[in-house]
Amino acid sequence: HVQLQESGPGLVKPSQTLSLTCTVSGGSMNSGDYYWSWIRQRPGKGLEWIGYIYYSGNTYYNPSLQSRVTISVDASKNQFSVKLNAVTAADTAVYYCARLTIAVAGFDYWGQGTPVTVSS
Amino acid sequence: EVVLTQFPATLSLSPGERATLSCRASRSVSTYLAWYQQKPGQAPRLLIYYASNRATGVPARFSGSGSGTDFTLTISSLEPEDFAIYYCQQRSNWGLTFGGGTKVEIK
Repeated sequence: HVQLQESGPGLVKPSQTLSLTCTVSGGSMNSGDYYWSWIRQRPGKGLEWIGYIYYSGNTYYNPSLQSRVTISVDASKNQFSVKLNAVTAADTAVYYCARLTIAVAGFDYWGQGTPVTVSS
Repeated sequence: EVVLTQFPATLSLSPGERATLSCRASRSVSTYLAWYQQKPGQAPRLLIYYASNRATGVPARFSGSGSGTDFTLTISSLEPEDFAIYYCQQRSNWGLTFGGGTKVEIK
């Protein structure tokens, strides 16, 4: 049974870099069947795809965030990470990691989400 | 980018009633469309993929239809646990986007 768990600071200062890690358990990340993804949800708002990474390291980002975001993977640790730089209050959100299964073109496993507040 | 527009924004219904939720894409996404259910304080849950396929464990009262630009999620008879927010999502050559959501609330 696959599980994903986000970890990282819950408070980040404006202009600094938000860094989160997702640990995957119950399955290997070394598979061409999935994209490992980050999604966020601002308070009271809908879902926003940040980007995803393939096990090979290929990345795909939301064009609106592409200039500030980097997603990386460490398959040996079954972890993948997101860095979002130059954050502002608009980046305050719950951040989810999720697995997109290519065969269904949908996110079938999600982490519980971790809230991140950008404030001085 | 493909913009997904969901309507109505809010649907007020009673348990046992039929719910019909719509999602319209700004360009054709074929059947690369999924539906999710989200309850307060929880992560979204995949309900439907490829427009009409139920995900594992999803009750048969949930069904999806459509292709191209117009899609529908139908809940045949609302159970108390179905009152939640529903999102559509597409993945295509133009990236990945979510709709703004439809809230199904108790009337």
